[in-house]
Amino acid sequence: EVQLVQSGAEVKKPGESLKISCKASGYSFTTYWIGWVRQMPGKGLEWIGIIFPDDSDTKYSPSFQGQVTLSADKSISTAYLQWSSLKASDTAMYYCARPVFSGGNPWHFDYWGQGILVTVSS
Amino acid sequence: QSALTQPPSASGSPGQSVTISCTGTSSDVGGYKYVSWYQQHPGKAPRLMIFEVNKRPSGVPDRFSGSKSGNTASLTVSGLQAEDEADYYCSSYAGSNNLIFGGGTKLTVL
Repeated sequence: EVQLVQSGAEVKKPGESLKISCKASGYSFTTYWIGWVRQMPGKGLEWIGIIFPDDSDTKYSPSFQGQVTLSADKSISTAYLQWSSLKASDTAMYYCARPVFSGGNPWHFDYWGQGILVTVSS
Repeated sequence: QSALTQPPSASGSPGQSVTISCTGTSSDVGGYKYVSWYQQHPGKAPRLMIFEVNKRPSGVPDRFSGSKSGNTASLTVSGLQAEDEADYYCSSYAGSNNLIFGGGTKLTVL
Protein backbone atom coordinates (compact mmCIF):
# COMPACT_ATOMS: atom_id res chain seq x y z
CA GLU A 1 0.00 0.00 0.00
CA VAL A 2 1.39 3.38 -1.01
CA GLN A 3 1.70 5.71 1.96
CA LEU A 4 3.14 9.17 2.49
CA VAL A 5 3.55 9.96 6.16
CA GLN A 6 4.44 13.50 7.06
CA SER A 7 6.09 14.77 10.23
CA GLY A 8 4.12 16.53 12.93
CA ALA A 9 2.84 20.06 13.30
CA GLU A 10 5.40 22.80 13.85
CA VAL A 11 5.26 26.11 15.68
CA LYS A 12 8.13 28.46 14.90
CA LYS A 13 9.12 32.10 15.26
CA PRO A 14 9.86 34.41 12.34
CA GLY A 15 13.45 34.09 11.22
CA GLU A 16 13.83 30.50 12.38
CA SER A 17 14.71 27.64 10.06
CA LEU A 18 12.60 24.55 9.51
CA LYS A 19 12.77 21.25 7.66
CA ILE A 20 9.63 19.12 7.35
CA SER A 21 9.55 15.57 6.07
CA CYS A 22 7.50 13.14 4.04
CA LYS A 23 8.31 9.44 4.38
CA ALA A 24 7.22 7.23 1.51
CA SER A 25 6.48 3.52 1.58
CA GLY A 26 4.81 0.88 -0.52
CA TYR A 27 6.45 1.75 -3.83
CA SER A 28 9.84 2.41 -5.40
CA PHE A 29 10.74 5.83 -3.98
CA THR A 30 13.37 6.57 -6.60
CA THR A 31 11.11 6.13 -9.63
CA TYR A 32 8.42 8.71 -8.84
CA TRP A 33 8.66 12.44 -8.41
CA ILE A 34 7.40 13.86 -5.10
CA GLY A 35 5.50 17.12 -5.14
CA TRP A 36 4.77 19.70 -2.46
CA VAL A 37 1.64 21.83 -2.16
CA ARG A 38 0.84 24.73 0.17
CA GLN A 39 -2.58 25.63 1.50
CA MET A 40 -2.78 28.80 3.52
CA PRO A 41 -5.56 29.01 6.12
CA GLY A 42 -8.93 29.13 4.41
CA LYS A 43 -7.33 29.40 0.98
CA GLY A 44 -6.71 27.27 -2.09
CA LEU A 45 -3.96 24.94 -3.19
CA GLU A 46 -0.62 26.26 -4.45
CA TRP A 47 2.05 24.16 -6.12
CA ILE A 48 5.49 24.58 -4.58
CA GLY A 49 7.58 22.21 -6.67
CA ILE A 50 8.67 18.65 -7.29
CA ILE A 51 11.76 16.56 -6.71
CA PHE A 52 12.93 13.33 -8.33
CA PRO A 53 14.54 11.40 -5.48
CA ASP A 54 16.83 9.31 -7.63
CA ASP A 55 18.98 12.24 -8.73
CA SER A 56 17.44 15.12 -6.69
CA ASP A 57 16.39 16.93 -9.86
CA THR A 58 14.04 19.69 -8.73
CA LYS A 59 11.51 21.98 -10.38
CA TYR A 60 10.12 24.96 -8.49
CA SER A 61 7.11 27.15 -9.00
CA PRO A 62 8.33 30.66 -9.87
CA SER A 63 6.42 31.84 -6.79
CA PHE A 64 8.49 29.64 -4.49
CA GLN A 65 11.86 29.61 -6.24
CA GLY A 66 14.46 30.87 -3.78
CA GLN A 67 12.00 30.80 -0.88
CA VAL A 68 12.18 27.10 -0.06
CA THR A 69 14.43 24.13 -0.76
CA LEU A 70 13.34 20.63 -1.72
CA SER A 71 15.55 17.67 -0.98
CA ALA A 72 15.33 13.90 -0.63
CA ASP A 73 17.21 11.07 1.07
CA LYS A 74 16.65 7.96 -0.97
CA SER A 75 18.34 5.78 1.64
CA ILE A 76 15.36 6.36 3.94
CA SER A 77 12.69 7.10 1.29
CA THR A 78 12.06 10.56 2.69
CA ALA A 79 11.52 13.90 0.98
CA TYR A 80 11.98 17.25 2.68
CA LEU A 81 10.82 20.84 2.38
CA GLN A 82 12.88 23.42 4.17
CA TRP A 83 13.09 27.11 4.94
CA SER A 84 16.14 29.02 6.08
CA SER A 85 14.25 31.97 7.51
CA LEU A 86 10.53 31.62 8.14
CA LYS A 87 8.03 34.45 7.79
CA ALA A 88 4.58 34.76 9.28
CA SER A 89 3.22 34.40 5.75
CA ASP A 90 4.63 30.85 5.63
CA THR A 91 1.88 29.79 8.04
CA ALA A 92 0.01 27.10 6.15
CA MET A 93 -0.71 23.43 5.71
CA TYR A 94 1.92 21.72 3.58
CA TYR A 95 1.20 18.51 1.71
CA CYS A 96 3.51 16.12 -0.07
CA ALA A 97 2.06 14.09 -2.92
CA ARG A 98 3.05 11.37 -5.38
CA PRO A 99 2.12 11.53 -9.06
CA VAL A 100 0.03 8.97 -10.88
CA PHE A 101 2.85 8.09 -13.25
CA SER A 102 6.45 7.21 -12.60
CA GLY A 103 9.04 9.06 -14.63
CA GLY A 104 8.17 11.84 -17.01
CA ASN A 105 4.64 13.05 -16.23
CA PRO A 106 4.50 14.33 -12.65
CA TRP A 107 1.54 16.66 -13.06
CA HIS A 108 -1.27 14.65 -11.43
CA PHE A 109 -1.07 13.54 -7.79
CA ASP A 110 -3.00 10.50 -6.61
CA TYR A 111 -1.34 9.82 -3.26
CA TRP A 112 -1.12 12.54 -0.65
CA GLY A 113 0.39 12.87 2.79
CA GLN A 114 -1.83 13.90 5.68
CA GLY A 115 -0.39 17.41 5.69
CA ILE A 116 1.77 19.33 8.14
CA LEU A 117 0.49 22.51 9.75
CA VAL A 118 3.29 25.03 10.06
CA THR A 119 2.55 28.02 12.27
CA VAL A 120 4.96 30.96 12.28
CA SER A 121 4.25 33.49 14.97
CA SER A 122 6.18 35.72 17.29
CA GLN B 1 1.56 32.87 -13.59
CA SER B 2 -2.03 33.59 -12.48
CA ALA B 3 -4.23 30.97 -10.91
CA LEU B 4 -6.82 29.29 -13.10
CA THR B 5 -10.28 30.83 -12.78
CA GLN B 6 -13.01 28.80 -11.11
CA PRO B 7 -16.41 29.97 -9.85
CA PRO B 8 -16.29 30.37 -6.07
CA SER B 9 -19.39 28.30 -5.57
CA ALA B 10 -21.71 25.82 -7.24
CA SER B 11 -24.73 23.93 -6.02
CA GLY B 12 -27.26 21.32 -6.94
CA SER B 13 -29.88 19.08 -5.42
CA PRO B 14 -29.35 15.37 -4.84
CA GLY B 15 -29.60 13.46 -8.09
CA GLN B 16 -28.96 16.49 -10.25
CA SER B 17 -25.86 17.24 -12.30
CA VAL B 18 -23.53 20.15 -11.76
CA THR B 19 -20.62 21.38 -13.87
CA ILE B 20 -17.67 23.35 -12.55
CA SER B 21 -15.53 25.31 -14.99
CA CYS B 22 -11.82 26.06 -14.91
CA THR B 23 -10.62 28.75 -17.28
CA GLY B 24 -7.02 29.34 -18.20
CA THR B 25 -5.13 30.35 -21.30
CA SER B 26 -3.53 28.76 -24.31
CA SER B 27 -0.34 28.55 -22.25
CA ASP B 28 -1.85 26.20 -19.71
CA VAL B 29 -5.30 24.58 -19.97
CA GLY B 30 -5.56 25.12 -23.70
CA GLY B 31 -2.05 24.01 -24.48
CA TYR B 32 -1.74 20.70 -22.67
CA LYS B 33 -3.71 17.58 -21.77
CA TYR B 34 -2.43 17.71 -18.20
CA VAL B 35 -5.55 18.98 -16.45
CA SER B 36 -6.57 17.45 -13.13
CA TRP B 37 -9.41 17.86 -10.68
CA TYR B 38 -9.17 17.38 -6.93
CA GLN B 39 -11.85 17.04 -4.26
CA GLN B 40 -11.10 18.27 -0.77
CA HIS B 41 -13.32 17.76 2.25
CA PRO B 42 -12.75 20.03 5.27
CA GLY B 43 -9.67 19.06 7.21
CA LYS B 44 -8.66 16.41 4.70
CA ALA B 45 -6.00 16.07 2.06
CA PRO B 46 -7.04 16.56 -1.56
CA ARG B 47 -8.20 13.52 -3.54
CA LEU B 48 -7.53 13.14 -7.25
CA MET B 49 -10.81 12.77 -9.14
CA ILE B 50 -9.78 13.34 -12.77
CA PHE B 51 -6.41 13.44 -14.52
CA GLU B 52 -5.31 14.11 -18.09
CA VAL B 53 -8.56 16.01 -18.69
CA ASN B 54 -10.95 13.06 -18.57
CA LYS B 55 -9.39 10.00 -16.95
CA ARG B 56 -10.62 8.65 -13.64
CA PRO B 57 -8.32 6.99 -11.12
CA SER B 58 -9.52 3.64 -9.86
CA GLY B 59 -12.04 4.03 -7.10
CA VAL B 60 -13.50 7.30 -8.35
CA PRO B 61 -17.20 6.89 -9.20
CA ASP B 62 -18.12 7.26 -12.86
CA ARG B 63 -20.49 10.05 -11.80
CA PHE B 64 -17.41 12.26 -12.08
CA SER B 65 -16.30 13.20 -15.58
CA GLY B 66 -13.96 15.74 -17.10
CA SER B 67 -13.72 17.54 -20.41
CA LYS B 68 -11.94 20.43 -22.06
CA SER B 69 -12.80 22.89 -24.78
CA GLY B 70 -10.24 25.46 -25.77
CA ASN B 71 -8.90 27.17 -22.67
CA THR B 72 -11.66 25.92 -20.36
CA ALA B 73 -11.80 22.59 -18.59
CA SER B 74 -14.90 21.30 -16.86
CA LEU B 75 -15.76 18.82 -14.15
CA THR B 76 -19.25 17.37 -14.20
CA VAL B 77 -20.72 15.57 -11.23
CA SER B 78 -23.82 13.61 -12.16
CA GLY B 79 -26.34 12.13 -9.75
CA LEU B 80 -25.22 14.43 -6.95
CA GLN B 81 -24.89 12.84 -3.55
CA ALA B 82 -24.49 14.40 -0.14
CA GLU B 83 -20.90 13.20 0.12
CA ASP B 84 -19.98 15.18 -3.02
CA GLU B 85 -20.22 18.38 -1.00
CA ALA B 86 -16.63 19.58 -0.87
CA ASP B 87 -14.16 22.01 -2.38
CA TYR B 88 -12.98 21.22 -5.89
CA TYR B 89 -9.74 22.41 -7.44
CA CYS B 90 -8.51 22.17 -10.99
CA SER B 91 -4.85 22.17 -11.93
CA SER B 92 -3.00 22.40 -15.20
CA TYR B 93 0.53 22.07 -16.43
CA ALA B 94 1.60 25.55 -17.52
CA GLY B 95 4.81 24.81 -19.39
CA SER B 96 8.38 25.35 -18.24
CA ASN B 97 7.99 22.68 -15.56
CA ASN B 98 5.31 24.65 -13.76
CA LEU B 99 1.92 23.60 -12.41
CA ILE B 100 -0.88 25.94 -11.47
CA PHE B 101 -4.10 25.44 -9.53
CA GLY B 102 -7.47 27.08 -9.75
CA GLY B 103 -8.82 29.11 -6.88
CA GLY B 104 -11.28 26.40 -5.90
CA THR B 105 -15.04 25.93 -6.03
CA LYS B 106 -17.19 25.12 -3.03
CA LEU B 107 -19.84 22.63 -4.11
CA THR B 108 -22.98 22.59 -1.98
CA VAL B 109 -25.53 19.79 -2.20
CA LEU B 110 -28.85 21.42 -1.37
